[in-house]
Amino acid sequence: GAGVSQSPSNKVTEKGKDVELRCDPISGHTALYWYRQSLGQGLEFLIYFQGNSAPDKSGLPSDRFSAERTGGSVSTLTIQRTQQEDSAVYLCASSLARPTNEKLFFGSGTQLSVL
Amino acid sequence: QKEVEQNSGPLSVPEGAIASLNCTYSDRGSQSFFWYRQYSGKSPELIMSIYSNGDKEDGRFTAQLNKASQYVSLLIRDSQPSDSATYLCAVTSGSARQLTFGSGTQLTVLP
Repeated sequence: GAGVSQSPSNKVTEKGKDVELRCDPISGHTALYWYRQSLGQGLEFLIYFQGNSAPDKSGLPSDRFSAERTGGSVSTLTIQRTQQEDSAVYLCASSLARPTNEKLFFGSGTQLSVL
Repeated sequence: QKEVEQNSGPLSVPEGAIASLNCTYSDRGSQSFFWYRQYSGKSPELIMSIYSNGDKEDGRFTAQLNKASQYVSLLIRDSQPSDSATYLCAVTSGSARQLTFGSGTQLTVLP
């Protein structure tokens, strides 16, 4: 596709359930980021994938959060045993990740609501 | 101390005025600096990048970087109501390649 695609666009779930959020980056982009944005707040870094390197997981808020990237392309962010404080917009972004070209292209996000 | 700090605003300027947005960062090893614009309910989009000390101009936008002071700013000349948005400062940390965002400054340009 022409841009970063995220699905679902909206997800409503009950507290304690597991959710999976999907990101399909721009073809050829080796870097993929997940961010979380709560209402009226900035972007909170979650995890970063770069090619075949080990991901930078330093932003994951708890062990309930995990992410994988298969074949260097599609990524899935999984939240286990969701809590109400997990409610936010989850944004995925990709980039070419060259030293002087780190323009991030963002998807439209997944609005997660935990009831 | 937050890694990237911005005044949250809101900042209001009249149409045609210069809007000045400021950002400070804590990692002296940071090498890449970006300004993203985010309209309400939309995803961020890149408007400026800067990598070396000094000014960089692109149309009505000017980014300014001072690594000694760990300070980066964005000037918007001839502000238009369509510039009303939240402006996010982003910095690549020196050791990691992750991009760290500030909390954003909400700008309103009054017609």
